[in-house]
Amino acid sequence: DVVMTQTPVSLPVSLGGQASISCRSSQSLVHSNGNTYLHWYLQKPGQSPQLLIYRVSNRFSGVPDRFSGSGSGTDFTLKISRVEPEDLGDYYCLQSTHFPRTFGGGTKLELK
Amino acid sequence: EVQLVETGGGLVQPGRSLKLSCVASGFTFNNYWMSWTRQAPGKGLEWVASITNSGGSTYYPDSVKGRFTISRDNAQNTLYLQMNSLRSEDTATYYCTRDNPVWFAYWGQGTLVTVSS
Repeated sequence: DVVMTQTPVSLPVSLGGQASISCRSSQSLVHSNGNTYLHWYLQKPGQSPQLLIYRVSNRFSGVPDRFSGSGSGTDFTLKISRVEPEDLGDYYCLQSTHFPRTFGGGTKLELK
Repeated sequence: EVQLVETGGGLVQPGRSLKLSCVASGFTFNNYWMSWTRQAPGKGLEWVASITNSGGSTYYPDSVKGRFTISRDNAQNTLYLQMNSLRSEDTATYYCTRDNPVWFAYWGQGTLVTVSS
């Protein structure tokens, strides 16, 4: 199985500041079709997860441009600029290149 | 608007069975793969099962293979998860998702399954 390692586990931030979350996979996420299926989710307290970024760097419908994704191969990053209160919660990466689909362990974004 | 509404959760004894349902609306159901993902209390996310748009192929992780069965009724816009031989470690909130095409684009509100004697 592909192991997804997210760091840090907890990330204290100030409102208006910037946050960066890392996700590393135990093997390449490049599919045989050339696409890389690495995605990012935010789970706000008491809510279902919501898709933020799909295929490394594509923002999902309605996601503000404060969120950006980058990376390749086995090393990926989610950046949040100008953090707002509604950005707080748990962030997860997901790989869907390989079966079984696997998530990272999560990063809690909280106020400093 | 895409809507996914899960039902069927509850308290069940170890070794027993439970069937979850997810009614979909707001999109053409038979055009999309669908999946189930779960989250144990206070823990992270775990993918549980996926099914192709026709229902012809299904996929599972080893943790539930042979015990869980995902199925769909495209005429009723409904996704199912039959869970047999339940264990305490299956206790979780189960989310239905619409896949787009191989990532989980839309999520339901979840239904809680508690396995305990």
